[in-house]
Amino acid sequence: DSGVTQTPKHLITATGQRVTLRCSPRSGDLSVYWYQQSLDQGLQFLIQYYNGEERAKGNILERFSAQQFPDLHSELNLSSLELGDSALYFCASSPIRGTEAFFGQGTRLTVV
Amino acid sequence: GQSLEQPSEVTAVEGAIVQINCTYQTSGFYGLSWYQQHDGGAPTFLSYNALDGLEETGRFSSFLSRSDSYGYLLLQELQMKDSASYFCAVRDDKIIFGKGTRLHILP
Repeated sequence: DSGVTQTPKHLITATGQRVTLRCSPRSGDLSVYWYQQSLDQGLQFLIQYYNGEERAKGNILERFSAQQFPDLHSELNLSSLELGDSALYFCASSPIRGTEAFFGQGTRLTVV
Repeated sequence: GQSLEQPSEVTAVEGAIVQINCTYQTSGFYGLSWYQQHDGGAPTFLSYNALDGLEETGRFSSFLSRSDSYGYLLLQELQMKDSASYFCAVRDDKIIFGKGTRLHILP
């Protein structure tokens, strides 16, 4: 158990809909990262938050947004969903400048 | 921007040694990490190199050459449970992953 909790584990929704994925980082970790992993693909960096502030942005679509709350949990919002958004979405956390990122078990999103 | 290159697949025999290479281009660099991911699972941390040289952790070792923007992961005494995907990742403020190397192990 990495200490990072993601909910829900599975999500099936229709095209055009909006979903929210939730992540609770390890206790004490201020950095949260979101990644998208499509079938047989690598981990595509979406966005990073540090202590409530956006720190870095990757290849995140404009239809996607995220935030980190004062209690350090983070949410990834995906809207106007398309079939191609079907993927595993991972959240990871680390201490500041930590060498290791701890991953949650992921949310498998299926858009039908 | 950042990019990392690693082979898409590697095959080795149980009990043997295998090396997975990674080259990177990055604007910022604190170090190179390696992660393992089994099918359907989450990535798990294996090693981190901030300085040139070899780091050893049990059967796994990782090497970094900052001047060559190159690193590798060495897995010794391969076991069937080592069948997984292995990702190198560049660490600056964020963590950028390569596309991963799928390791197949033959009995």
